[in-house]
Amino acid sequence: DTEVTQTPKHLVMGMTNKKSLKCEQHMGHRAMYWYKQKAKKPPELMFVYSYEKLSINESVPSRFSPECPNSSLLNLHLHALQPEDSALYLCASSPMGQEMNTGELFFGEGSRLTVL
Amino acid sequence: AQSVTQLGSHVSVSEGALVLLRCNYSSSVPPYLFWYVQYPNQGLQLLLKYTSAATLVKGINGFEAEFKKSETSFHLTKPSAHMSDAAEYFCAVSGGNNRLAFGKGNQVVVIP
Repeated sequence: DTEVTQTPKHLVMGMTNKKSLKCEQHMGHRAMYWYKQKAKKPPELMFVYSYEKLSINESVPSRFSPECPNSSLLNLHLHALQPEDSALYLCASSPMGQEMNTGELFFGEGSRLTVL
Repeated sequence: AQSVTQLGSHVSVSEGALVLLRCNYSSSVPPYLFWYVQYPNQGLQLLLKYTSAATLVKGINGFEAEFKKSETSFHLTKPSAHMSDAAEYFCAVSGGNNRLAFGKGNQVVVIP
């Protein structure tokens, strides 16, 4: 069982829709991540939040808008997406500021997004 | 900066045979190294990790990996493949800065 929970597991949306992906963790981790993964490819980093502040944005188009309401929650707001944005979106968390911070990531099961 | 190289995107192995997945890393600082497994339509699950303790690391599902600094390698092995081992495997490296660099992955196919 994963300790990072993502909803919804599947999402189909049109190019004019607005939707959100949600992620929750209760491990006390202070870093949370969004990754995009295409089939047969490694995950690509999109955003990193550290202590609820956006610390990394990997030049992601503005149609993706992240939000971190508190240390346990992470959202990804989607608007005016393109078909090429269809992918598996993975949320991850990691401990930060702890004595043994190895960079290990704890992943959720992902949200499979299809843009029509 | 850190990076990893995984050669051979597809790896076929017979059931009961040795599984060997190769990973070579590059890092400007002492690295932390990971192997993750991904089953179809699922997230990434940690198989094992090297964090500067023992160089031979044992993980879940009978997998193990050995850190060899002289060869900058962290190859993953399992003595006897099982059908359930069919999955995508990613090697990853971190410099402890909360940025994980992934390899391109190996798709493992187990032949009955």
